[in-house]
Amino acid sequence: QKEVEQDPGPLSVPEGAIVSLNCTYSNSAFQYFMWYRQYSRKGPELLMYTYSSGNKEDGRFTAQVDKSSKYISLFIRDSQPSDSATYLCATRAGGTSYGKLTFGQGTILTVHP
Amino acid sequence: GAGVSQSPRYKVAKRGQDVALRCDPISGHVSLFWYQQALGQGPEFLTYFQNEAQLDKSGLPSDRFFAERPEGSVSTLKIQRTQQEDSAVYLCASSYNRGSEAFFGQGTRLTVV
Repeated sequence: QKEVEQDPGPLSVPEGAIVSLNCTYSNSAFQYFMWYRQYSRKGPELLMYTYSSGNKEDGRFTAQVDKSSKYISLFIRDSQPSDSATYLCATRAGGTSYGKLTFGQGTILTVHP
Repeated sequence: GAGVSQSPRYKVAKRGQDVALRCDPISGHVSLFWYQQALGQGPEFLTYFQNEAQLDKSGLPSDRFFAERPEGSVSTLKIQRTQQEDSAVYLCASSYNRGSEAFFGQGTRLTVV
């Protein structure tokens, strides 16, 4: 079993929909949580970064962490065709370098006009 | 440069051939990471450098994989006697220091035939 589990989808939604992406993790040492977006044939780019349980909002994006259930979510409001990409959740343990990450499998999202 | 640069973008190797993949990090970035991303999977950590020192190589899958960063800038990931299971995208990331966000390059897509 992988340390970070993520439903690969694919997920297809109409423009304007609210998108919910989720991951679970098993290692209690994971203290930091990130969401990356990866366009086709590109490297991942950081979207959201959070440490504590609760919600963090940035524009149309909201990241949610529940450490008690080891569950992390990303919500995208008013989704746009330009949001079509693979979304990767990632975690890292406390005390490790910011770049040593454990990723989920990625969810492929398509937003159609 | 403006971002992390990787070369070549695409590499086709015959099984048993040695390959070398290059990463030019963002200027001034002291931390450098290599990841392997198999088709339909999230990136998996391979190794980490702080300047020229390889501080973590726990993710290298076998002794056929070797990475170096002799002058603390450009890094090379070498794979000896390539196997079909080595086919993947190899991503390089760099960060200003240990506690900073890591930025990814576009990756090198290796296909072993």
